[in-house]
Amino acid sequence: VVLTQFPATVSVSPGERATLSCRASQNISSDLAWYQQKPGQAPRLLIYGASTRATGIPARFSGSGSGTEFTLTIRSQQSEDSAIYYCQQYKNWPPWTFGQGTKVEVK
Amino acid sequence: DVRLVESGGHLVQPGESLTLSCAISGFSVSYHHMTWVRQVPGEGLEGVSVVFSGGGTTYADSVKDRFTISRDISKNTVFLQMNRLRVEDTALYYCARLLQIWPSPATFDIWGRGTMVTVSS
Repeated sequence: VVLTQFPATVSVSPGERATLSCRASQNISSDLAWYQQKPGQAPRLLIYGASTRATGIPARFSGSGSGTEFTLTIRSQQSEDSAIYYCQQYKNWPPWTFGQGTKVEVK
Repeated sequence: DVRLVESGGHLVQPGESLTLSCAISGFSVSYHHMTWVRQVPGEGLEGVSVVFSGGGTTYADSVKDRFTISRDISKNTVFLQMNRLRVEDTALYYCARLLQIWPSPATFDIWGRGTMVTVSS
């Protein structure tokens, strides 16, 4: 399964909403996760099952979608949300594949 | 406290071998799937290998027949033996837990900080 993320970069002002997209090359039901990676850090699991927040993840992060189209929305963007966000599928494995990432910049 | 600590990364020449270690604390390796995920600096993520809780293993095509994942339950440690290293294996190697979300091994919920492997002549 190939995952394509877009846009490559999104730039938002503090308090605005950021919308990130992930498209799968085939139907993966809701078997999709999202990760956040800040510079110099390991990825952190945000969302699994397309829409379930992982433990400790703020409510401003939400996921939606199923099949081949998925969205990660970051409401009320904060400066600490600047990072690269990756989607990852676990419908058809191995391998567990990742998208190429979307960079989120807070102006 | 749940923690993964990788070690063993080094600068090596093409064709050489290297073994990475991942020391686990806070949970037992015998009850969880464990993986190695690598990342070329500035690029994306690639799953390299998995050792399942039952002991089975799987590998990315790019490393099959060159890398071997294993675990020592008594030491609660996971290893990645890397043979015949290539320049394109240069990356930061993360150890991560692969969480079971029924019915599949699914998401990487706990990560170490990574260990850098550089393959260069």
